[in-house]
Amino acid sequence: QVQLQESGPGLVNPSGTLSLTCAVSGGSISTTDWWSWVRQPPGKGLEWVGEIYQSGRTNYNPSLKSRVTISVDKSKNQFSLNLSSVTAADTAVYYCARDGRLNSHYAMDVWGQGTTVTVSS
Amino acid sequence: QSALTQPPSASGTPGQRVTISCSGSRSNIGSNYVHWYKQLPGTAPKLLIYDNNQRPSGVPDRFSGSKSGTSASLAISGLRSEDEADYYCAAWDDSLSGVVFGGGTKLTVL
Repeated sequence: QVQLQESGPGLVNPSGTLSLTCAVSGGSISTTDWWSWVRQPPGKGLEWVGEIYQSGRTNYNPSLKSRVTISVDKSKNQFSLNLSSVTAADTAVYYCARDGRLNSHYAMDVWGQGTTVTVSS
Repeated sequence: QSALTQPPSASGTPGQRVTISCSGSRSNIGSNYVHWYKQLPGTAPKLLIYDNNQRPSGVPDRFSGSKSGTSASLAISGLRSEDEADYYCAAWDDSLSGVVFGGGTKLTVL
């Protein structure tokens, strides 16, 4: 049973870089699945940030693309999110999720518990 | 403003059947599969329906999904108190080359 665990600073300074890691346990990151980041601002809905494949291929939300980098470390079985030039609008719960291949299509079938990141000085 | 449009709220009494709609466009729902997620307060979302109408193992058959054109629906029959949650639809968008979510629907069991 694959499990995901987010980790990283809970507080980031404005204009700084938000960095989070998602550790994958109970399975390998080197599968046919994609690995995503999703965020949820306080009291608001879900927003897809981006995703990565084991090869390093990525897809990003166009509204965040200029500031987002998602990377994978297969040796550590984890993937990471970097979001630069953050503002208060980036304050959110950040979830990592597995985009599992179900019936030849992808859906986020495994989620981490989420980690709260606040942007404030 | 979300790419997929859901009603902000829905409600029903125990035992009733409720439906939640999700409206999109040709580039997302019209061209790709729709998935539904359930989120209880303070917890991570959980996959409820994938590929328009498929239930993951463990999801009761009270939950069903459908899609027609650029719209999709989630139906919950035999409503129970534990169904009270936020529900989100999602789909891949070919124009954005990314996943889009609906704004979410808060379901209240009266």
